[in-house]
Amino acid sequence: DIVMTQFPDSLAVSLGERATISCKSSQSVLSSSTNKNYLAWYQQSPGQPPKLLIYWASNRESGVPDRFSGSGSGTDFTLTISSLQAEDVAVYYCHQYYGNPHTFGQGTKLEIK
Amino acid sequence: EVQLVESGGDLVQPGGSLRLSCTAPRVSFSVFWMYWVRQVPGKGLVWVSRVNSDGSRTDYADSVKGRFTISRDNAKKTVYLQMSSLTAEDTAVYYCARDAGRGGDFDYWGQGTLVTVSS
Repeated sequence: DIVMTQFPDSLAVSLGERATISCKSSQSVLSSSTNKNYLAWYQQSPGQPPKLLIYWASNRESGVPDRFSGSGSGTDFTLTISSLQAEDVAVYYCHQYYGNPHTFGQGTKLEIK
Repeated sequence: EVQLVESGGDLVQPGGSLRLSCTAPRVSFSVFWMYWVRQVPGKGLVWVSRVNSDGSRTDYADSVKGRFTISRDNAKKTVYLQMSSLTAEDTAVYYCARDAGRGGDFDYWGQGTLVTVSS
């Protein structure tokens, strides 16, 4: 199984500041046939199901604010929130869907400083 | 945003069985793979099972293989998870999720249904 490791486990950022979450996979999730990274990011607010933010590592899902962006390739990926808003307090998960079974990172809890 | 509706979660004794259902009343269903993902309260997300669009292919996490069965009824826009030989380690919120059709990311999730295995 592909192991997904996120860091940090928790993060406190001031409103309006940048938040950066990293995710590393134990093997590449880049498909040589499609040249796409099979890596997604989700936001889970308290008491809610996860919400898709980013797919193919850097594509923003429809309706997601443009302050959310994803980058990276192969085994190293980053989710960036350019200017933190109060409603961004949540746990964020990376998800690889290249290998079977799919696997998720352990989650990063984002709070307001 | 919650376009899938799960049901069936309950308190069940160890060794018991339970069937979860997930319907998709407002979104396209029949051409998409469907998944079950579980989450122990306060913990992370764990992939459980998936079924392809016509139900002919299924996959399971090692932890549930041989005990859980996923199936679907496209006419009813419903996916099921039949769970048997339940243990305390199966206690979790179970989410159904729809494959977005882009290789495996999940664009729609249900609100979750809680399964508690306890005597």
